[in-house]
Amino acid sequence: SQQGEEDPQALSIQEGENATMNCSYKTSINNLQWYRQNSGRGLVHLILIRSNEREKHSGRLRVTLDTSKKSSSLLITASRAADTASYFCATDQFQGAQKLVFGQGTRLTINP
Amino acid sequence: SAVISQKPSRDICQRGTSLTIQCQVDSQVTMMFWYRQQPGQSLTLIATANQGSEATYESGFVIDKFPISRPNLTFSTLTVSNMSPEDSSIYLCSVAAASGKNQPQHFGDGTRLSIL
Repeated sequence: SQQGEEDPQALSIQEGENATMNCSYKTSINNLQWYRQNSGRGLVHLILIRSNEREKHSGRLRVTLDTSKKSSSLLITASRAADTASYFCATDQFQGAQKLVFGQGTRLTINP
Repeated sequence: SAVISQKPSRDICQRGTSLTIQCQVDSQVTMMFWYRQQPGQSLTLIATANQGSEATYESGFVIDKFPISRPNLTFSTLTVSNMSPEDSSIYLCSVAAASGKNQPQHFGDGTRLSIL
């Protein structure tokens, strides 16, 4: 079942601005992973954050995790047109044998 | 990370027919999974492909409709049987390099399937 909820469902910003996407989930997790999908193609793995971590960085990406609120956020700084894509969070549930449960995704559009 | 190749990348099929999708990985991996993404939707796990044994299916998915093979640690197939327009989706395989917690999962480019 889909346990992740993401908001906003769609986000449109100007190039150079920061984009923040949020993800909420319902059960205990081992980790949470963020993915990017361009135009219905395959998923690109962005970041994995473990349940005992609170923040993680990778280049222009910053991910936070609040297990008490069962929520995560993905921040993309200094956005570029190439960041236009759909972004999904996915949770690896505790005792879930690495099966990922995906959120509904956020469609991000970067306007030049 | 592992390089994952899926074939075909897309296909258009007639209802009532079956199609087999292949997933090839360039290194041995412990865990392989198959997901479905219906148009405009998120991904849903179909099954875990187990090497040398029957796949483990999620609720709502059955072996007769989605038979899966995994003959070794680098290859798996998913067959979509007796297709109907409702099966039009993107089908994706994913792999995790090792079992256990906190392994990133990587995806192939997917197979876009349209049923007429």
